[in-house]
Formats: sequence, structure tokens, C-alpha cells
Amino acid sequence: QSALTQPASVSGSPGQSITISCTGTSSDVGSYNLVSWYQQHPGKAPKLMIYEGSKRPSGVSNRFSGSKSGNTASLTISGLQAEDEADYYCCSYAGSSTFGVFGTGTKVTVL
Amino acid sequence: EVQLVQSGAEVKKPGESLRISCKGSGYSFTSYWISWVRQMPGKGLEWMGRIDPSDSYTNYSPSFQGHVTISADKSISTAYLQWSSLKASDTAMYYCARLKAAAGRSFHFDYWGQGTLVTVSS
Repeated sequence: QSALTQPASVSGSPGQSITISCTGTSSDVGSYNLVSWYQQHPGKAPKLMIYEGSKRPSGVSNRFSGSKSGNTASLTISGLQAEDEADYYCCSYAGSSTFGVFGTGTKVTVL
Repeated sequence: EVQLVQSGAEVKKPGESLRISCKGSGYSFTSYWISWVRQMPGKGLEWMGRIDPSDSYTNYSPSFQGHVTISADKSISTAYLQWSSLKASDTAMYYCARLKAAAGRSFHFDYWGQGTLVTVSS
């Protein structure tokens, strides 16, 4: 099972919106609406930001939103803030034999 | 408050065995699966496998099957990740995470441990 494909880096200025893509296959992203997104600051554990494609856990800013089209899921951060600078990973359910597969990760830089 | 607290950093030699732990609190430990996730230095997250603490049923990523063992002791709300013979390539940060999963309806890691750094060097 190969990792889901994410861009290595995305950048934006404060206040702007950015979108991170997460491309899988018809065996994972395309088959299930079970993509989740995680934010990881340097030296810290990952934090759940989006689950089941577009749902936000309690306490996560509504500036974060998720969507999916075909085999590609996306995370959009609107009103970019300095604190959003971090690594972001997607993860998809991939069936009962493989279970879970993470994306390659995207470094978000706030200019 | 839900917490997953992992055991401390380890420094081992190649060929040695190791077991690291993850203790859950603030919730019913047997109601959620626990997963282990590897992060090699400067690299991304990799899902290793999961255990259902209620019956110790496990699933492993094909990449890790046969290389590690995941277990749990529900009486003390603790999950484990163990190696019988470490390699230098096992050097990484290992995270446990609570996996909220229901067949085809949910699959996400809602709480994470702080991580255990494992260094394998001669």
C-alpha cells in the first residue's frame, strides 16, 4: 500500500487561503469518505483537525475545512495565521486488510 | 480528560529486544482501538497496526507485519509495542493514538500520546 500523495510544501501570506491536496486511489480515498487530516508542529504529537472528510472536532477553528472529489481529498485553511505553520498529513481508511494509510505530508509556511 | 501517556525514550543496541508502552486514562480503555504510528527522523507518519483492547485482536500494516508485536493489558489500560531484535532502521519516534473506528463509518485518530523516541545504535 503506497502512501497518499501530498505536495511537499504550500505557502501563503497571513489572511490568505491555501489548499492542500491528498491523492489516493479507488481503493482508499475514492472508496470511503473516511479521510482525516492532522496538524503537527515541530517536536509535537499530531493533532486531529478534520475527520470523515469534512467534520471538525470540538475546539478546531472553523478556518479549517475538508472536502473530497474522486480519489483526491483536500484541506483548506482560510484566513491563514502564523500559528498554522506546521506539517499536515492526510490519512484514509483503505479497507479491512490494509486499514490505514497516511499521506506523504505537506509543510505549510506562512510568509 | 482523555490522556495517552507513553513510556520514556530508549537507547538500545542492534539485536536487543524492547517493549514500549502507552497507558490510557479518562475513558473506557476497552471501547476504543489503539494504533501505533512510526515517524522516522525527518520523515512522515506511517500506520503500523492496531489492537482492540477488549479482546486483543490485532491488525498490522503489511509493511510492519512480522517485524513488531502489538499487545494490550486491559486490566491496567495499557497497550504495548515490542520488538524481539532491533535494527538501526527502527530508530524513530513512535506514537500511540486512540483510533475511533466503525466498519465503513469512521476511521480517525482522535487522541495521541506524546511519543516515545527509540534510538538503535551500536
